[in-house]
Amino acid sequence: EPEVTQTPSHQVTQMGQEVILRCVPISNHLYFYWYRQILGQKVEFLVSFYNNEISEKSEIFDDQFSVERPDGSNFTLKIRSTKLEDSAMYFCASSGRGLAHEQFFGPGTRLTVL
Amino acid sequence: GENVEQHPSTLSVQEGDSAVIKCTYSDSASNYFPWYKQELGKGPQLIIDIRSNVGEKKDQRIAVTLNKTAKHFSLHITETQPEDSAVYFCAASLGGGFKTIFGAGTRLFVKA
Repeated sequence: EPEVTQTPSHQVTQMGQEVILRCVPISNHLYFYWYRQILGQKVEFLVSFYNNEISEKSEIFDDQFSVERPDGSNFTLKIRSTKLEDSAMYFCASSGRGLAHEQFFGPGTRLTVL
Repeated sequence: GENVEQHPSTLSVQEGDSAVIKCTYSDSASNYFPWYKQELGKGPQLIIDIRSNVGEKKDQRIAVTLNKTAKHFSLHITETQPEDSAVYFCAASLGGGFKTIFGAGTRLFVKA
């Protein structure tokens, strides 16, 4: 069964450093999303991406964040200058043609900012 | 903006009993309501969803009901099993589903 994959599973970085979180969505999907979940809290929407542009973003997704689909398979989230409060689990999700709402989540990347 | 409230935060039931989790949403334009199950160390997994043109949907032991007038929707799990123990999230999204707002989650414990 096709699945969303994410790398790395755990990323440790120093405050102020840039990080790139990588996702490989399900191959025929057209809609891509990033969410974050601070330990023990709710899943929070960050951004959605369709047709090579951002469709929606939340107030969390400020100028420090960017997304990119550099090729036909990867979808990345970049945080330019990490802060301690960026420490969280980051989930990528994708949804497909005709099922724009049904989102399939990856296993997540745990980001720890020291 | 859209807000989703979820109750209870923790629910403990005996194996075989039913479990009910309730959510309310604030934006009447929301038209898609998925429910996700999250097991420890994993990403959320869609278990059932309902669209605003339907009042109820059932899939084996799981059912979801939607009251658009009251802006309430609920998850019902019957004949609970220990493997149902997990965190359950309700969510609401608008239009094309580009923005999905999650509830705070319900930690369900099913005691054998």
